[in-house]
Amino acid sequence: QSVLTQPPSVSGAPGQSVTISCTGSSSNIGANYNVHWYQQVPGTAPKLLIYSDTNRPLGVPDRISGSKSGTSASLAFTGLQAEDEADYYCQSFDASLNSWVFGGGTKLTVL
Amino acid sequence: EVQLVESGGGLVKPGGSLRLSCAGSGFTFSHAWMTWVRQAPGKGLEWLGRIKSKIDGGTVDYAAPAKGRFSISRDDSKNTVYMQMNSLKTEDTALYYCITVSLEGALENWGQGTLVTVSS
Repeated sequence: QSVLTQPPSVSGAPGQSVTISCTGSSSNIGANYNVHWYQQVPGTAPKLLIYSDTNRPLGVPDRISGSKSGTSASLAFTGLQAEDEADYYCQSFDASLNSWVFGGGTKLTVL
Repeated sequence: EVQLVESGGGLVKPGGSLRLSCAGSGFTFSHAWMTWVRQAPGKGLEWLGRIKSKIDGGTVDYAAPAKGRFSISRDDSKNTVYMQMNSLKTEDTALYYCITVSLEGALENWGQGTLVTVSS
């Protein structure tokens, strides 16, 4: 059972928009700790996709965005592309555990 | 270009030990906070522990699965971080990643991982 809760899977057709949620609690996201998102294409190492809630590293397209509100964060895709098909993980810090924590991961399928 | 190369994985019997190494290049290793994350086959990511740079105190924090069994250290003269793993269990079977940590606490640059298999 992950400290951060993500839906196991989401899907969308090319060109559509999809959102992946990451729900935490008052000891992590709700305490305003940074949320980061990672993309993992099967068979490869994860890659940082969004850092500090909303920021994109160089090379990440602006059709991918992050947001945070209350005890939840979201990763949004507009103009879905085949290359977006991957697993996505959120990550934050949990003060009660004194530990970095991950969501369980969400598989994004492009139909 | 930042590069992280993990090594030291392999097949080990339950109760055994392994020491993983991670050699970094392309960045100022001595200034970097480093962390280890693992991924069991077909499963999600699990944070294990983090070592700060010596200038920031060099302290180490561990996640619950690693406390008491795993030990993280660094040798800045060799641009290498280590993780000593003792009393290994079958559930420690995973791909182990070494990663640099950004100022914001994001896991910025990932190695390709080294596979640890614990089996009799």
